[in-house]
Amino acid sequence: SQTIHQWPATLVQPVGSPLSLECTVEGTSNPNLYWYRQAAGRGLQLLFYSVGIGQISSEVPQNLSASRPQDRQFILSSKKLLLSDSGFYLCAWSVPSGTTGNTIYFGEGSWLTVV
Amino acid sequence: GENVEQHPSTLSVQEGDSAVIKCTYSDSASNYFPWYKQELGKGPQLIIDIRSNVGEKKDQRIAVTLNKTAKHFSLHITETQPEDSAVYFCAVQPVSGGYNKLIFGAGTRLAVHP
Repeated sequence: SQTIHQWPATLVQPVGSPLSLECTVEGTSNPNLYWYRQAAGRGLQLLFYSVGIGQISSEVPQNLSASRPQDRQFILSSKKLLLSDSGFYLCAWSVPSGTTGNTIYFGEGSWLTVV
Repeated sequence: GENVEQHPSTLSVQEGDSAVIKCTYSDSASNYFPWYKQELGKGPQLIIDIRSNVGEKKDQRIAVTLNKTAKHFSLHITETQPEDSAVYFCAVQPVSGGYNKLIFGAGTRLAVHP
């Protein structure tokens, strides 16, 4: 069966510091990978998605970036965090698509507090 | 791009009552409509989904209905229980992006009181 791992689970970072969140998926090949952000008490905002190694689509302009160095690894980064970057970050995956109806499965999330 | 609106934002019911959450979307070409449940501090979990060739789908106490003409779909929970308390999100899979992403509603916080 497929599993998704995301870490760290929580972190507190000062403004201006760098960020690296990592996500890996097991049990599937060539998955679509996603990073979503959820501000406190808010909905789910799609930040990035990737359909293959090195292929990143950005949905929201910001000071975050994403990379996919390996088939089942997805990394969310920032060079300098802002207070507004605080939130709950969720990695997710789906089977390779091209047709409709591909369910997206979420990890357990990473709580980021920028102070 | 696709726009998804979800109502109500909060819903409070007594145990045993029914709960209904409704979502509307803008892209008539969207064909896949999942619902997720998110418990506090956890990632969202898929609870039910529906595709455009189906008008209604049931799974025990949960059902989803779809009206493609009106571009809205609803989640129905019957005989609610305290463990149903959570935040529920609807989502739509738009054509843009090659069906590779989900656009979510803002969420509904459901509270079931014993």
